[in-house]
Amino acid sequence: RKEVEQDPGPFNVPEGATVAFNCTYSNSASQSFFWYRQDCRKEPKLLMSVYSSGNEDGRFTAQLNRASQYISLLIRDSKLSDSATYLCVVTSGSNSGYALNFGKGTSLLVTP
Amino acid sequence: GAGVSQTPSNKVTEKGKYVELRCDPISGHTALYWYRQSLGQGPEFLIYFQGTGAADDSGLPNDRFFAVRPEGSVSTLKIQRTERGDSAVYLCASSLILPEYTGELFFGEGSRLTVL
Repeated sequence: RKEVEQDPGPFNVPEGATVAFNCTYSNSASQSFFWYRQDCRKEPKLLMSVYSSGNEDGRFTAQLNRASQYISLLIRDSKLSDSATYLCVVTSGSNSGYALNFGKGTSLLVTP
Repeated sequence: GAGVSQTPSNKVTEKGKYVELRCDPISGHTALYWYRQSLGQGPEFLIYFQGTGAADDSGLPNDRFFAVRPEGSVSTLKIQRTERGDSAVYLCASSLILPEYTGELFFGEGSRLTVL
């Protein structure tokens, strides 16, 4: 079983829509959680960290449910520029280091 | 430049050949990661260095893969006896401190390896 699971999509939504992505992780020892964004043929870049209490950054809201081992990302008022792949990232929780494990990514296409 | 630099950007080789991929991290970044990414997949963890030592190499797929970071800065990923299945984009990332605390890995643009 892969450590980080995401719905690959694609999600096609009109401008202005609200869209939510989900992610589950298998390692209950994982300590830190993030969302990265990757544009086509570009490198991943940090979008936001995910905190236990939930956190918001402008139009983006991230939530963590440790009991269910579930992470979400909500994007409100979608813009054309939000079109990208969104990668859920979880630390391994390993005693030997802090590998960051990436999900396959969820593809978002925002249309006019 | 200020970012993570990877060379070569593209490498085409024949099955069975030896390949080296280089990563020059952001100056002062102590943590360095190698990932590989195939089309339609997320980055797959290979190895992580803290300073000169490999803190976690559990992602290396087999003994054909090896990575070094002798002076705690530049790192080289070495692949022996390349196979067609090794074709992917190899991504290097660095961070100032353990990313567990900051979450920010800074990635290079990757080295696209094609094994014919």
